[in-house]
Amino acid sequence: NAGVTQTPKFQVLKTGQSMTLQCAQDMNHEYMSWYRQDPGMGLRLIHYSVGAGITDQGEVPNGYNVSRSTTEDFPLRLLSAAPSQTSVYFCASSYSIMGISGANVLTFGAGSRLTVL
Amino acid sequence: EDQVTQSPEALRLQEGESSSLNCSYTVSGLRGLFWYRQDPGKGPEFLFTLYSAGEEKEKERLKATLTKKESFLHITAPKPEDSATYLCAVQARRGGSNYKLTFGKGTLLTVNP
Repeated sequence: NAGVTQTPKFQVLKTGQSMTLQCAQDMNHEYMSWYRQDPGMGLRLIHYSVGAGITDQGEVPNGYNVSRSTTEDFPLRLLSAAPSQTSVYFCASSYSIMGISGANVLTFGAGSRLTVL
Repeated sequence: EDQVTQSPEALRLQEGESSSLNCSYTVSGLRGLFWYRQDPGKGPEFLFTLYSAGEEKEKERLKATLTKKESFLHITAPKPEDSATYLCAVQARRGGSNYKLTFGKGTLLTVNP
């Protein structure tokens, strides 16, 4: 199994450009999420999805858009890139969405490093 | 608001020198506390989940413990390959936050041979 696959690994954008970070998982996980990781800060949740067609905002959603048309894919779109979006982005998925019988054990991708000039 | 504070920010050990990492948390009803390991340039890798005070879990040289206010990650006789950033996260027992984990900033552990 490949687990969680993110592309691209590295990307440089100019301010105002748009792009999509791709995330795919082959574990049939219902829950998928996007985090950003910045120096000196913990991982922060951007958006998440509990199944195809269902998405919701996390802690830092502004400037990002998501959709979930299939169980496997959860792309993150930057609508108009800003230098403040320079970060490392992680996609993560989980087998559990109910959180009743247990907590969400996340499987992370390798990350996508984005630089906005 | 859920909060997670990890200390120290960085820890340097000699091979074989045991120590502990701390994770203090504030959450309105804990559903689970997680420990992850993150190597440079890679995504976090799951280590442990703890659910209730008094619970302990072990894996090789690592042992995680949980109280009502904090968790410790004990590292016994560490080796250089244990060098990594260790992340702590909590999930609250709340309807709207069932799917959100709050992460600490991490502890960067370096084990010298």
